[in-house]
Amino acid sequence: QKEVEQNSGPLSVPEGAIASLNCTYSDRGSQSFFWYRQYSGKSPELIMFIYSNGDKEDGRFTAQLNKASQYVSLLIRDSQPSDSATYLCAVNTNAGKSTFGDGTTLTVKP
Amino acid sequence: DGGITQSPKYLFRKEGQNVTLSCEQNLNHDAMYWYRQDPGQGLRLIYYSQIVNDFQKGDIAEGYSVSREKKESFPLTVTSAQKNPTAFYLCASSLRNQPQHFGDGTRLSIL
Repeated sequence: QKEVEQNSGPLSVPEGAIASLNCTYSDRGSQSFFWYRQYSGKSPELIMFIYSNGDKEDGRFTAQLNKASQYVSLLIRDSQPSDSATYLCAVNTNAGKSTFGDGTTLTVKP
Repeated sequence: DGGITQSPKYLFRKEGQNVTLSCEQNLNHDAMYWYRQDPGQGLRLIYYSQIVNDFQKGDIAEGYSVSREKKESFPLTVTSAQKNPTAFYLCASSLRNQPQHFGDGTRLSIL
C-alpha cells in the first residue's frame, strides 16, 4: 500500500461543475496536509493546507480532513478551464518527512 | 524578492560523472527538501533537512548525496551510482510542517 494514494484520473468535469479530488494516507502520525496544483512542465504551487479535522474554505476551494478515516479531499466549485492541471496531495509526519501522492489530472471542459 | 532558486535549469550528465544541482533560499526557512519527478508521476522524496548540518534520507536516496552547511543552501549531488538519473528535480523549503515553496526545477538528462 502506498503511503499516500489519490483517486486515479484523469478526471474530467464541465465548466461550472464541482470537481472532487480525494486522498488517503497510511501514517496515523501525519500532522499536516496540503494540496498543490502543478501545470505541465512547472513546479507545484500551494492551493490549500489543513491541519485539523473538518472543512477549510478559501474562495472556490474547500479542503476536508477526517483523521479517523485517514482521508483528505479537495473540492473545487465553479470549475474553470484554468483549473485544468495535476493536483498533488502531500502529507507531513510530525518528524517533518513529506510524502506526495501520484497526483490526479483534472480537465475542465468549456 | 524572497524565494528559492535552483540552478541550472537544464543539466546533462555523461556516463560515470557526478553532477551537483544547486538550491538556494532566502526565505529563512529551516527545512529544505529534494524531490525527483518522473513523467506522469508524483514527487518522490530524495533527502530532507530540518536544520543545518543535519539531513535524513527520503524514499529514494540511493545514488544521491546532499550537504547542509548553511541554512540557505542544500545542494544535491547525483552520483554515478544513480543509473537512471533522467528526471525533473525539485527543491523546496518551508518552516517546520508548513507549506513548501518550490524552486523552478532542474531537468537532468544523460548524454
